[in-house]
Amino acid sequence: GQNIDQPTEMTATEGAIVQINCTYQTSGFNGLFWYQQHAGEAPTFLSYNVLDGLEEKGRFSSFLSRSKGYSYLLLKELQMKDSASYLCAVRDGNYQLIWGAGTKLIIKP
Amino acid sequence: DTAVSQTPKYLVTQMGNDKSIKCEQNLGHDTMYWYKQDSKKFLKIMFSYNNKELIINETVPNRFSPKSPDKAHLNLHINSLELGDSAVYFCASSPTTGDGRKTQYFGPGTRLLVL
Repeated sequence: GQNIDQPTEMTATEGAIVQINCTYQTSGFNGLFWYQQHAGEAPTFLSYNVLDGLEEKGRFSSFLSRSKGYSYLLLKELQMKDSASYLCAVRDGNYQLIWGAGTKLIIKP
Repeated sequence: DTAVSQTPKYLVTQMGNDKSIKCEQNLGHDTMYWYKQDSKKFLKIMFSYNNKELIINETVPNRFSPKSPDKAHLNLHINSLELGDSAVYFCASSPTTGDGRKTQYFGPGTRLLVL
C-alpha cells in the first residue's frame, strides 16, 4: 500500500529552527508538496520538490531525497504565527496526490 | 475576488436528509477536487474531476455524487446523510502546468454536522 509518515506533533521555541520530516512509500513518484494549515482554515501551498535537493523560499526550505523516500520542511526564525499543521503530500505514479496526516507544530514564546 | 469559494461555510442537518455543497473557482483551472477532513485532521480525496475524467475514490459511498455544470463549478451532493458524514469538506482546484506541478488551491471549507 501507499504510505506517508510524519510526526503527529512537534514543539519549538519562537526564534528557533525546526525540521519536520516526512517519509513516503508510494507506487511511483511525481513530486512532493508541503502545505500549511492553520486551525479552522484551508491548507495553503508552501513548497514543491520533484528533484533531489533543497528548495529555499524565505524562512522555509524543503528537502527531497527520492532514493530514501524522504523529505523535510525546515522552518527558521520561528514566529508564533507558524503554529499550524504541516501536511506532506506525494503525487504517485498515477498522478494521484497521497496525503500524510499532518504534523501539528506548537510554537512557545 | 476569492479564488476558490464554497457555500455554505457551516451546515447543520438531521440524519437522513439530502444536502448540497457548492464550489466555484475563478482561477481558470481545469481540475477540481473534493476532500473530506475528519476529526483526526486527515485529508482524504473523494473526487477529482476535469473536463474529461471523473476519478472517484472507491471508498466513497455512492450517497456522495459530484455535479459539474461547467469548468468553474463542482458541487457535492450528499444523500441520506449519516452521523459519520460529519466533517469538514474542502473543495480545491489546480491548473494543468507544463512542469506537471498542478499545485492545488483550497476553498475555505464547509463544516458539516449531522445530528
